[in-house]
Amino acid sequence: GAVVSQHPSWVICKSGTSVKIECRSLDFQATTMFWYRQFPKQSLMLMATSNEGSKATYEQGVEKDKFLINHASLTLSTLTVTSAHPEDSSFYICSARDKADNYGYTFGSGTRLTVV
Amino acid sequence: QKEVEQDPGPLSVPEGAIVSLNCTYSNSAFQYFMWYRQYSRKGPELLMYTYSSGNKEDGRFTAQVDKSSKYISLFIRDSQPSDSATYLCAPKKSSGDKLTFGTGTRLAVRP
Repeated sequence: GAVVSQHPSWVICKSGTSVKIECRSLDFQATTMFWYRQFPKQSLMLMATSNEGSKATYEQGVEKDKFLINHASLTLSTLTVTSAHPEDSSFYICSARDKADNYGYTFGSGTRLTVV
Repeated sequence: QKEVEQDPGPLSVPEGAIVSLNCTYSNSAFQYFMWYRQYSRKGPELLMYTYSSGNKEDGRFTAQVDKSSKYISLFIRDSQPSDSATYLCAPKKSSGDKLTFGTGTRLAVRP
């Protein structure tokens, strides 16, 4: 089945630094990738949708200058949290849509970010 | 009102029980209905999907969609401790559209 690889699985960074999270579709071409944020015991909150070669579409309330998304190829999307602060600590998850699949999307295993 | 409502639980059942998980939604434009399972600190994995109203069965899992009442159900037969996880319903409007997640229901199956 479709596999999405997300790295790193966890990261600790100092306040004010930037962190990059990678999301790769291993055996399919992902025309669309989605980035989510999840707080403990809460559901997934969509942050942005990215289409290969286009600018990402951000959900209302998500700062696009803080959460930089790049989807430069059909198999790779990155999320960069710039000038991270403790309130950015969260679980970040990507998902990818296979162009040939009309139904569910495949999710990565998530990245736990802790900003100290 | 949230577009997708789901009882957060937790729901605790003994091993072997039949589990019923439910969601209601408000957007009549939803056409595709997905159920995801999420283990702690992991990404969600797709369990079942259906298009429009009807039932779909896959092993111990059955998904039901009633568009007239905007009600989505997932049934788990012969529940196992390994089924202990959070179950999220996630409808969408079209094939390439974003998913709209419910809050998720935490299920615990006791041995």
